Amino acid sequence: KQEVTQIPAALSVPEGENLVLNCSFTDSAIYNLQWFRQDPGKGLTSLLLIQSSQREQTSGRLNASLDKSSGRSTLYIAASQPGDSATYLCAVSGGSYIPTFGRGTSLIVHP
Amino acid sequence: EAQVTQNPRYLITVTGKKLTVTCSQNMNHEYMSWYRQDPGLGLRQIYYSMNVEVTDKGDVPEGYKVSRKEKRNFPLILESPSPNQTSLYFCASSLKAGGLTDTQYFGPGTRLTVL
Repeated sequence: KQEVTQIPAALSVPEGENLVLNCSFTDSAIYNLQWFRQDPGKGLTSLLLIQSSQREQTSGRLNASLDKSSGRSTLYIAASQPGDSATYLCAVSGGSYIPTFGRGTSLIVHP
Repeated sequence: EAQVTQNPRYLITVTGKKLTVTCSQNMNHEYMSWYRQDPGLGLRQIYYSMNVEVTDKGDVPEGYKVSRKEKRNFPLILESPSPNQTSLYFCASSLKAGGLTDTQYFGPGTRLTVL
């Protein structure tokens, strides 16, 4: 059964730092991977979707990479801001179409 | 505004009292799904629907029912709620059907407490 692990579980950094959030999955036979942001008391917001044939996706200060062979994805956040404070979730789906989510990385960016 | 709405946002009920959580999207999406989020367990999919009248089980379907009679609505039904169904529930939708094939749009969540 697919398992998704996110490291670190929590992260606290000063504003302006470049960050790397890690996501690893046990079954490399995935169709796609998606990174989400979850703010307290709110639903999830999709940040980046990477199809299995792609290696990376970029949106503004965010860049996500995917290495299927090693079962890893990274989310890179450039020049972090206090507004980036949230929980970041990684999810993968394969042939069953049922997504598997990681438990998330809780990020605090302090001024 | 394109959105997924859920009602109610908060609900406290008692064991065995049937309840329905509604979910509606205004984006003409084909795919809709329900998740529950529990501390230490992450999000787990309950049911999903590829299109009208097509529903299927997710990872944790026991104790839940769904229906998809219209494209925009996907209610979650708990026929006889139990305390272990206390959780935070999310509805999600996407334009294309199938897992994470397309960008997922999530509702704001429903916090359910079963006493």
